[in-house]
Order: sequence, then structure tokens, then C-alpha cells
Amino acid sequence: QVQLVESGGGLVKPGGSLRLSCAASGFGFSDYYMSWIRQAPGKGLEWVAYISYGATIIYYADSVKGRFTISRDNAKSSLYLQMNSLRAGDTAVYYCARGSSWYIDYWGQGTLVTVSS
Amino acid sequence: NFMLTQPHSVSESPGKTVTISCTRSSGSIVSNYVQWYQQRPGSAPTTVIYEDNQRPSGVPDRFSGSIDSSSNSASLTISRLKTEDEADYYCQSYDGSNHWVFGGGTKLTVL
Repeated sequence: QVQLVESGGGLVKPGGSLRLSCAASGFGFSDYYMSWIRQAPGKGLEWVAYISYGATIIYYADSVKGRFTISRDNAKSSLYLQMNSLRAGDTAVYYCARGSSWYIDYWGQGTLVTVSS
Repeated sequence: NFMLTQPHSVSESPGKTVTISCTRSSGSIVSNYVQWYQQRPGSAPTTVIYEDNQRPSGVPDRFSGSIDSSSNSASLTISRLKTEDEADYYCQSYDGSNHWVFGGGTKLTVL
């Protein structure tokens, strides 16, 4: 069955960096677009970024553009999110998700990122 | 860019039918597919409708999606309500710049 397992979350100081990973299994990873979605505590869902099958198409939300980098390793069935210049407003649960350039069909369980001094 | 506006909360009794709306602020709702996601308390979201009215495998046919161009809105209808349907529901679409937009979410209470 489809599994998406995020890791790499934790506590980081403002201005710091963190790299999230998502290990995918149970499907042909290179056949799908992949996305990162986040949810601040007690708030709604916010799209962060998505990446095409071969990483030739990448889009970011304006709130993270220039600070976050999405990437993938199809040989390892893994998705990544490099987060730099982190701010308090980036505190959220980050979800890895499978789908297309316009929808998600499977979600991971999420990893919590807390930005605080 | 546009916004998707959802009611903050709705409530209905078990066995009844409820409809959650998602209104697009600018541009036509029919221009870009609308998706619906369910998030039960303490859990990750799951997909209940994609591409306006398509149900992923495993989602019961009690869940249906529709588009109304006259009101520029999408709707999620859940019939024969069960207590397990109590959750937050989010609509999502995308714009011409390939950026995704989520609605603010609707809390469904089944009482």
C-alpha cells in the first residue's frame, strides 16, 4: 500500500535551517508529482511547493520562495524540502503528499517543525 | 490570485445530508479543478474528492462533489451522515500561475 513517511522535523532557532525528508513506498515514485503542504498549529492547510516527475517543473508558494528548496531522488523514492532562513511563521506540521500538478491523492502523517529561540 | 471562502462551521444530525460550499473570489470556478480533503481531529488529511467530482477508491459514494458556475462555487455533499464524518473539510484549487489555493476549512459537527 502507499506509504509516505516524513522525517527531519524538530526545534530550530530563527534564521536556522532544516532539511525534511519523505520516504515513499508502495507505488512507482517517479510516476507522480510530489508536494509539501504545511499546517500551522490550530490553522488551515497551506500549500508550500510541488515538483514534477523528473524535477523539471517546480513551483513554490510566495511565502517560501527563495528560502525553501524542494527536490527528489527517484532512485531512492525520496522527496526533500530544504528550509533556510526559517522564521517563527514557518512553525507547522509539514506533510508530504503524492498526486499531480493540481491535486493530492495520498498524504503522509506529517512532521512538526518548530521555529523558536 | 483568488481566494476560496468556506463557511467556518456546519452541523447536522446523523442520517441527514449536509452541503459545504467553497466560493471562488475571482475568475471562474469552472476554469480549474476543485478538490476536497477531510481531516479528522489529530489526523493527517485524506482526499475525498478530486477533479470536481471524482472519488478516490475507498471513499464511500455518500460523498459527492459539484460545481455551480452561477454562484462561482464548488460544493461537497455528504449524505446519510455518520458520526465518523465529523471532521474539518478543505477545498483546494489552483491558479493560472500553477499556485495552489486552499479554502480556510469548514468544521463539520455531526450531532
